[in-house]
This record gives sequence, C-alpha cells and structure tokens, in this order.
Amino acid sequence: NAGVTQTPKFRVLKTGQSMTLLCAQDMNHEYMYWYRQDPGMGLRLIHYSVGEGTTAKGEVPDGYNVSRLKKQNFLLGLESAAPSQTSVYFCATRTAGLSDTQYFGPGTRLTVL
Amino acid sequence: GENVEQHPSTLSVQEGDSAVIKCTYSDSASNYFPWYKQELGKGPQLIIDIRSNVGEKKDQRIAVTLNKTAKHFSLHITETQPEDSAVYFCAAIEGGYSSASKIIFGSGTRLSIRP
Repeated sequence: NAGVTQTPKFRVLKTGQSMTLLCAQDMNHEYMYWYRQDPGMGLRLIHYSVGEGTTAKGEVPDGYNVSRLKKQNFLLGLESAAPSQTSVYFCATRTAGLSDTQYFGPGTRLTVL
Repeated sequence: GENVEQHPSTLSVQEGDSAVIKCTYSDSASNYFPWYKQELGKGPQLIIDIRSNVGEKKDQRIAVTLNKTAKHFSLHITETQPEDSAVYFCAAIEGGYSSASKIIFGSGTRLSIRP
C-alpha cells in the first residue's frame, strides 16, 4: 500500500517546454487535488477532480491542465512552462463521504529556467 | 471565498515549553478546520482537526481550540520536543461535506524547538 505517489520527484525545464506530472493513489479515493506550494504562501489549489472523467478549477488554474482518465491517476500538465511556475507541486486525495481528511503525496520540485 | 490568515510566520520556543499558533478565517459557513505538519522534503500530514460543533479537541500533547463567533482557531503544543520542529499549516474547508471540500490553507508557521 503505497498511498499517494508522485512522479517525477524533481524536474528542471526551460521556458516554453511542456511536461506532465503524475499522481497515483491506491486508496480508491474519489477526490484528487493538485496544489502548488510557494515560500510564504502556503498551498494553493490548482485543479481538482471529484471522480473519474471529471475536473474543476481551483484558485490558480491558469497555465495548467489536468486529466482524470482513471480513478487512481490524476495528471497535471504544463503546456508551455514559465518561470512563474517554479514551485513544489503536491497531489492530495480524499474519500467521498463524511471524512474531509486529505492525504498528500511527497511532492514534485519543478524549476523553470 | 474563504481566506485564512495564520500567525506567527516563525516561532522559536525552548524545548519543554508550549507553542501556540493562531489562525482566523473569513467564511462563516466553513465547518472543518484541519492542522497539518510538514517536515522538510515531505508532504503535509494531518495532525489534528476540529469541526465547528466542537470548541476544543486534544490528542496527547496537541490541542486545538475553535471560537466560531470570532472566527479563529488555535493550535497548542505542550511540552515541546525537538521532533516538533516543522512547518505547521492551518486550514479551513470551503463548502463542507456537500462539496469537494476544497481546503484553503494559511501561509504556514515555521516552528523551531531550541535544545
């Protein structure tokens, strides 16, 4: 039982390049979230999904796209990376129902030069 | 939407002393308030949470208090130990059970325990 895993752990991109971050979970949770964490700003929600095939925008969605083709995977895409997207990205999951607890992955550190 | 403010941004206490971190929220409809601890290089981990129908909750050395009228909640750590050193985030749920429960985080408090 790995919980929530993120791939890759680190990545360096040049401005304009594209990449996809993968979040995978084996807890059969319905809800999945992508956050970014910047110094002094806590975590901000980028996009989230309440189930397979569904996605919705969070606080800071611009410049990102997501897909949830399978329940266990949530992909975060950067089509044309910008230096402002340098950040640490966290995925989180939550089961539907009465529990609001979100479980976080270990993070992906992305640097855009 | 919800806005969560957290103070202080950094806190240094002597080992064995108590630490208090305070947060305020703006949306009176928020009804769930988790606290997360983040160690270096790791994702946030839930350490305690409180719902709006409760004023205080304790778990060993950790306690959280909630004042719904004033819209503020606090984390109290007693008998601090070196392993308590980390960044702590408060948060509030926007929308509660009926929504996807988007968590709005405070900006974090870096807690350092002096030996």
